[in-house]
Amino acid sequence: DTGVSQDPRHKITKRGQNVTFRCDPISEHNRLYWYRQTLGQGPEFLTYFQNEAQLEKSRLLSDRFSAERPKGSFSTLEIQRTEQGDSAMYLCASSLGTEYTFGSGTRLTVV
Amino acid sequence: AQSVTQLDSQVPVFEEAPVELRCNYSSSVSVYLFWYVQYPNQGLQLLLKYLSGSTLVKGINGFEAEFNKSQTSFHLRKPSVHISDTAEYFCAVSEETSYDKVIFGPGTSLSVIP
Repeated sequence: DTGVSQDPRHKITKRGQNVTFRCDPISEHNRLYWYRQTLGQGPEFLTYFQNEAQLEKSRLLSDRFSAERPKGSFSTLEIQRTEQGDSAMYLCASSLGTEYTFGSGTRLTVV
Repeated sequence: AQSVTQLDSQVPVFEEAPVELRCNYSSSVSVYLFWYVQYPNQGLQLLLKYLSGSTLVKGINGFEAEFNKSQTSFHLRKPSVHISDTAEYFCAVSEETSYDKVIFGPGTSLSVIP
């Protein structure tokens, strides 16, 4: 297992388009987290899963955002009707306990 | 709810000099504490963590941190920095009773000057 993988690494989209990001966690990790990071800021929690169950969603996650983790394996984060304010790095992490392993992130630019 | 404050947004330091990056947290319950490092265009990597036991925690790359419950602090230190330590450093906290989520501070940008 090579760690947490995120795809794509970069995404440029026009305002109003939908985008979907994928995260493949470390296979034995049952917890998966999504964070958003803007320039010069720390990661902000968006949502997390334990196995396939989505246990918590941040208030930052508007109705345009949806995340899934079918079968408790990979996860997808979809943003509908993107806005310029959605431009950020989207980070995925997985864990079995207290230590997170992060992916390299997907950088979204909305033009 | 927990929160993390990192008072210094940028810390320049000369190579081989010591450095301290400050972190204070706020929580109504017992916490776990973490320091993560982020190199340019990379994800975050765990430097060290405090869960329980000794308040002095040693991590990778020669870093250490000390948990001070009375001052609600978890400052990160290194006695002699290297150019390769140039990166963004994030202090983070989570509730001791659950593994649900980690809350990150705004980060401190460490620049090591040759």
